[in-house]
Amino acid sequence: NAGVTQTPKFRILKIGQSMTLQCTQDMNHNYMYWYRQDPGMGLKLIYYSVGAGITDKGEVPNGYNVSRSTTEDFPLRLELAAPSQTSVYFCASSPQRYEQYFGPGTRLTVT
Amino acid sequence: DQQVKQNSPSLSVQEGRISILNCDYTNSMFDYFLWYKKYPAEGPTFLISISSIKDKNEDGRFTVFLNKSAKHLSLHIVPSQPGDSAVYFCAASAVLGNEKLTFGTGTRLTIIP
Repeated sequence: NAGVTQTPKFRILKIGQSMTLQCTQDMNHNYMYWYRQDPGMGLKLIYYSVGAGITDKGEVPNGYNVSRSTTEDFPLRLELAAPSQTSVYFCASSPQRYEQYFGPGTRLTVT
Repeated sequence: DQQVKQNSPSLSVQEGRISILNCDYTNSMFDYFLWYKKYPAEGPTFLISISSIKDKNEDGRFTVFLNKSAKHLSLHIVPSQPGDSAVYFCAASAVLGNEKLTFGTGTRLTIIP
């Protein structure tokens, strides 16, 4: 049981490039989330999903897109990367309301 | 608008003593509160939670207290151990939109041996 896995662990992007951050969970959780954490800040919700085919915006969705075609996977797409998207990105899943299980994070630098 | 606030960015405590981490919230619709612990280069892990129908929840060395009238909660760790050194995040869930959590900015706890 791997829990929540994220790839890659680290990535450096040039301004204007695109990439997809992968997130997979093997716990059959309905709810999945993407957060970003900037230095000295809490976790800000980017997008979330309450089930396959259903996604919704969080607090800071601009510059990102998501899809949820399966229960297990919830990729986060960055289009036209900007320096403001330099951050650590965490994916999480939850079987219901409340407790969320987090992946190890992806550290992204945009230069 | 920071709805969940952790006003102490850092805290240092002697090993064996009590660590008290504080959290304030402004949204009266929050009815469930959680504490997460985060080590460097890892994702946050769930520590303990409390429903608004309670004022205290205990799990081993960890106790969370909730004061609804003051919109304040605290996490007590007794006795503190070196492995408790981490960043602690307070999070809250509202009755509406309850699939989402709102996080505080975190408090870095350092346990001094």
